[in-house]
Amino acid sequence: EAQVTQNPRYLITVTGKKLTVTCSQNMNHEYMSWYRQDPGLGLRQIYYSMNVEVTDKGDVPEGYKVSRKEKRNFPLILESPSPNQTSLYFCASSFSRGGTGELFFGEGSRLTVL
Amino acid sequence: GQQLNQSPQSMFIQEGEDVSMNCTSSSIFNTWLWYKQDPGEGPVLLIALYKAGELTSNGRLTAQFGITRKDSFLNISASIPSDVGIYFCAGQLGWGAQKLVFGQGTRLTINP
Repeated sequence: EAQVTQNPRYLITVTGKKLTVTCSQNMNHEYMSWYRQDPGLGLRQIYYSMNVEVTDKGDVPEGYKVSRKEKRNFPLILESPSPNQTSLYFCASSFSRGGTGELFFGEGSRLTVL
Repeated sequence: GQQLNQSPQSMFIQEGEDVSMNCTSSSIFNTWLWYKQDPGEGPVLLIALYKAGELTSNGRLTAQFGITRKDSFLNISASIPSDVGIYFCAGQLGWGAQKLVFGQGTRLTINP
């Protein structure tokens, strides 16, 4: 089954404790991206990757890091989480670097930073 | 970043009613897309529009790409309980999924 898989789905952590949210897709997609969803703000892009070893900032990259060492994986790293990073996070992928906006989303990871 | 204004932010309707929501922007978009997010899940693409003026249907859903390329609407006819969720519009500023901008979402609640 074609899918984007995120882990963990739910996480409660404390300020400053490094964490990683993993994302893996099995569709051989070149393009991958991370979004955060907050009430009243919709989906905002954090980082994206056009291909292996190619990453770039989205609209809200502060406090986040990413890496793309393999085509299928695109982890999101919070080196020192803060309460304002409490949010619902989505990983998404698309079938080509060009991309027509037709994104496949994971099920989401709800993060709470105390 | 770019802004899309999606309205209404929430809707409370009776089962069987028709629904209409729209997105507007001051920017011109090449593509408009509509996604739906079911509770506890990620957004799923409903309809993609690629040409100004294009009107596309997907079952009970109909969406249009505005002639000015700055707006789009989504209609749902004869709503049913499984239509509950959050609907997002998204506009693509140029070629590339990284140029996708999302609206704030419309939360649809249906009273049976």
